[in-house]
Amino acid sequence: ETGVTQTPRHLVMGMTNKKSLKCEQHLGHNAMYWYKQSAKKPLELMFVYSLEERVENNSVPSRFSPECPNSSHLFLHLHTLQPEDSALYLCASSPSRDSSFYGYTFGSGTRLTVV
Amino acid sequence: AQTVTQSQPEMSVQEAETVTLSCTYDTSESNYYLFWYKQPPSRQMILVIRQEAYKQQNATENRFSVNFQKAAKSFSLKISDSQLGDTAMYFCAFSSPGTYKYIFGTGTRLKVLA
Repeated sequence: ETGVTQTPRHLVMGMTNKKSLKCEQHLGHNAMYWYKQSAKKPLELMFVYSLEERVENNSVPSRFSPECPNSSHLFLHLHTLQPEDSALYLCASSPSRDSSFYGYTFGSGTRLTVV
Repeated sequence: AQTVTQSQPEMSVQEAETVTLSCTYDTSESNYYLFWYKQPPSRQMILVIRQEAYKQQNATENRFSVNFQKAAKSFSLKISDSQLGDTAMYFCAFSSPGTYKYIFGTGTRLKVLA
């Protein structure tokens, strides 16, 4: 499978649950990103990993915990979320973290609903 | 700080006609990149077209072209011969060279009518 794959596609979780979002890319890219997409707001960059090293944590609450075990996989661990965390979570990758010209390759996102 | 503004939350166009989506931005940099991304109902954002600020010539990709006005800090997207498959959210984005950071606009929802 090519491109960026995200699972699950939809997730409903209670505020006391723990769940994880998964992102996988087979493009040979070295940088991966988590974005939060909320209605009528610009995309919010959450985390950036370059060669498995976290290079940015954009003031994200600690209830979101990223993990990048290798350059092809990225996880977002969720625990004790709030209803305002309901959003579309997008994963993206790029050849390297300084390759802005090439743009991102995005996944299809996980639609998260916190109840 | 850079900002990107898309002032048209929603637009519609008849199939086969032409539509223009607006984007303005603010930056003090002289060189940068501008992008248009398309997000169809499948939710996967796809890069439609990109423009390098130091290039005078407007970028073109098949039915998609841009009108880049550097002095006015304007970067509009023109879709010619609109097709039903063009129905999507369109996001304008800005990036500085050598970085991974993109500034996205709030998007324009385009509906192509049969």
